[in-house]
Formats: sequence, C-alpha cells, structure tokens
Amino acid sequence: RKEVEQDPGPFNVPEGATVAFNCTYSNSASQSFFWYRQDCRKEPKLLMSVYSSGNEDGRFTAQLNRASQYISLLIRDSKLSDSATYLCVVNVVSNNDMRFGAGTRLTVKP
Amino acid sequence: NAGVTQTPKFRVLKTGQSMTLLCAQDMNHEYMYWYRQDPGMGLRLIHYSVGEGTTAKGEVPDGYNVSRLKKQNFLLGLESAAPSQTSVYFCASSPGGDEQFFGPGTRLTVL
Repeated sequence: RKEVEQDPGPFNVPEGATVAFNCTYSNSASQSFFWYRQDCRKEPKLLMSVYSSGNEDGRFTAQLNRASQYISLLIRDSKLSDSATYLCVVNVVSNNDMRFGAGTRLTVKP
Repeated sequence: NAGVTQTPKFRVLKTGQSMTLLCAQDMNHEYMYWYRQDPGMGLRLIHYSVGEGTTAKGEVPDGYNVSRLKKQNFLLGLESAAPSQTSVYFCASSPGGDEQFFGPGTRLTVL
C-alpha cells in the first residue's frame, strides 16, 4: 500500500464547477499536511497547508480528518487556470519524512 | 532573489557514465532536498540535508550520493548511471522542514 494515495483522475470539469479531491495517508505519525500544485513540466508549488480545523483560501478549502487519515481539497467556481496536477503531501516532521502522493490531474474546460 | 536554481536543465548520459547535478538557493534555508519524479509515482525523496555539512538518506538513496559543503549548495552525484535513473530530478529547500520551495527540475535520460 502506498503511504499517500490519491485518485489519479483525470478530472475533466466545466468552468464554474465545484470539484473535490481526496487523499489518504497510512502513517498515523504524520504531523503536517499540504496541497501542492504542479503545472505540466514545471516544479510543484505550495497551494495551501492543511490544518486540523480546516482552512479556506478564496475558492479553495482544505480539510483534515486525522481519525480517518484523510485529507481533502475542494475547488469552487473552477477557472481554466486551475488546470494542473494537485499533489497531496504529508510530513512526519520528527524525521523529516515528506511523502508525496502521485497527484490528481484536473482539466477545466470552457 | 533567484530562489532555487538547478543546473543542468537537461542531460543525456550513457550507462556507466557519472555526473553531478547542482542545486543552489539564495534564501538562506537550512534544509535542502533531492527528489526524483517518475510517471505515476509522485515525487520520491533521494537524500536530504538539515544543514551545512550534514546529509541523510531518503526513500530511494541507492545509486546516488550527495554533499552539502556550503549552506547554499546541495550536490547530487550519480557515480555510474543506469537506465533506471532516467527521471526528472527536483531540488527543494525549506527554512524549517515545512513548506518546500522547488527548483525548475533537471530532465535526465540514461541510454
């Protein structure tokens, strides 16, 4: 079983749609959680950190469920520019063990 | 600030050749990392460093060596390249082991 698992997609949605990505992790000692965005043939860039209480940044909402070892990302009112691969990342800070999911590809169409 | 830079951007090697990838950061970050990214696999940590003069193994260290002689530089070496090392290599740095800032990547092909 992979340590961080994501639905690979692709997700093809129309502009304005709401789309949700899920991620599960296996290491219960994981302490920090992130969503990164990676455009085609580019480097990953931090989209947002994920906090236990959930957090929102404009059209993006991230949720963490430690009991179920589950992280989610919700994108509302999708834009063409949201087309990218979204990477779920978990970190066991004590041993600096950062693990990436394989990513979920999103295409937003006009 | 240039952020994180990597050289070279592209390289083609023959099996058995050696090479060094250079990563440089100008953000005074303590932590630096080397990852490889393969289709369907996500990024996998090769080696990392938590400060000048220190290095540690990550998830897939075999076939690679690293050095961090200066705080701003982190070198990744392939002593004897193999086709299985064909990949995209990303370097990253971090101020404290949390958010990571990535370089643009090096595309390596081993024939």
